[in-house]
Amino acid sequence: GAVVSQHPSWVICKSGTSVKIECRSLDFQATTMFWYRQFPKQSLMLMATSNEGSKATYEQGVEKDKFLINHASLTLSTLTVTSAHPEDSSFYICSAPPGLAVTDTQYFGPGTRLTVL
Amino acid sequence: GENVEQHPSTLSVQEGDSAVIKCTYSDSASNYFPWYKQELGKGPQLIIDIRSNVGEKKDQRIAVTLNKTAKHFSLHITETQPEDSAVYFCAAHFITDKLIFGTGTRLQVFP
Repeated sequence: GAVVSQHPSWVICKSGTSVKIECRSLDFQATTMFWYRQFPKQSLMLMATSNEGSKATYEQGVEKDKFLINHASLTLSTLTVTSAHPEDSSFYICSAPPGLAVTDTQYFGPGTRLTVL
Repeated sequence: GENVEQHPSTLSVQEGDSAVIKCTYSDSASNYFPWYKQELGKGPQLIIDIRSNVGEKKDQRIAVTLNKTAKHFSLHITETQPEDSAVYFCAAHFITDKLIFGTGTRLQVFP
């Protein structure tokens, strides 16, 4: 149980275009999902908390207009990188608590490698 | 602030030896401490976790200890195998409901 998937697993795009990344909880519902960003050989940095049916909460320094988050259902959250630039190239990972009652345990998706040319 | 420190950054051991990774956290109110294993190009995988009402937890070759007074917790891997080679992250759940990660430890197990 507690499987989180992401799509796509990797994407290459041109500078200035937008890219959408999907995060799905496959066997459980999640009112909250988290989006992280990881640069090579570095740790995971929390970008934002995605809340089903309401606005996402962004961490300090993360541009909400650039990283659009939508959590339209209890099993799907999307992260859209708008007007992508080479510095947005990174490994994006989502996570979710395995149920509606547990809030601290998080299971992670396999990640999405974004390369902006 | 919300901070988790992790040491060492790299660790090389011979197969069969033990490996220990240590973390400290800043917020005494933290009550949940997971450990994740991340292989190259993959997402982090939860390998063991501990809550503040427990001092030690073991799962086969993996164990975690927690010292709440000192605000530190450690991961112990015994009888290491080459497939244990990966990057290991500790994390702490803060009162703000955020999971903050340590800087990671690259473990290499040599056959």
